[in-house]
Amino acid sequence: SQQGEEDPQALSIQEGENATMNCSYKTSINNLQWYRQNSGRGLVHLILIRSNEREKHSGRLRVTLDTSKKSSSLLITASRAADTASYFCATDWQTSYDKVIFGPGTSLSVIP
Amino acid sequence: NAGVTQTPKFQVLKTGQSMTLQCAQDMNHNSMYWYRQDPGMGLRLIYYSASEGTTDKGEVPNGYNVSRLNKREFSLRLESAAPSQTSVYFCASSRPTNEKLFFGSGTQLSVL
Repeated sequence: SQQGEEDPQALSIQEGENATMNCSYKTSINNLQWYRQNSGRGLVHLILIRSNEREKHSGRLRVTLDTSKKSSSLLITASRAADTASYFCATDWQTSYDKVIFGPGTSLSVIP
Repeated sequence: NAGVTQTPKFQVLKTGQSMTLQCAQDMNHNSMYWYRQDPGMGLRLIYYSASEGTTDKGEVPNGYNVSRLNKREFSLRLESAAPSQTSVYFCASSRPTNEKLFFGSGTQLSVL
């Protein structure tokens, strides 16, 4: 079964607004990562949060992790047209940390 | 540095043909991965290799074989291609095994 699920599947916002996307997973993890993909190209790593962390920031990105609910959220503040992309969460499995599984992704469109 | 290099970038096969997708990384990473991405979907893990000499099945290994030739190279082989294997294939590598994956640019494979 798939480790991570993302919500919403698609999101359309105006430039300058904030975008929030969520990820859920099914089993205990060691860490959770977020990636961005532009137009079918290779994925680019955005941020990693470990299971003992609750929040992490990187520039305009804010990631939270709630291990009790097995969920994470990615917030992009003050969005730009260049943020238009698909965003994926990825998790390992606590008992098989070599295996990194991706969720189905959220497609974000930022309208100028 | 080139990072993760995949060849070929595009390939068209007939049903039943075989081929090998090549992947090489020059970052001295221990772990390497093969994923497939179908249109509008997330990445699904085919096989991974946590270190030289080891390989393990991912979510969708059927119809594929892999070889970790050395630390740098990880190849994916389709012995008898099927239309269901039409997809974009991504290779990735990481140094800590479950952290920050670096992706190649992908191989677009069509099986007719």
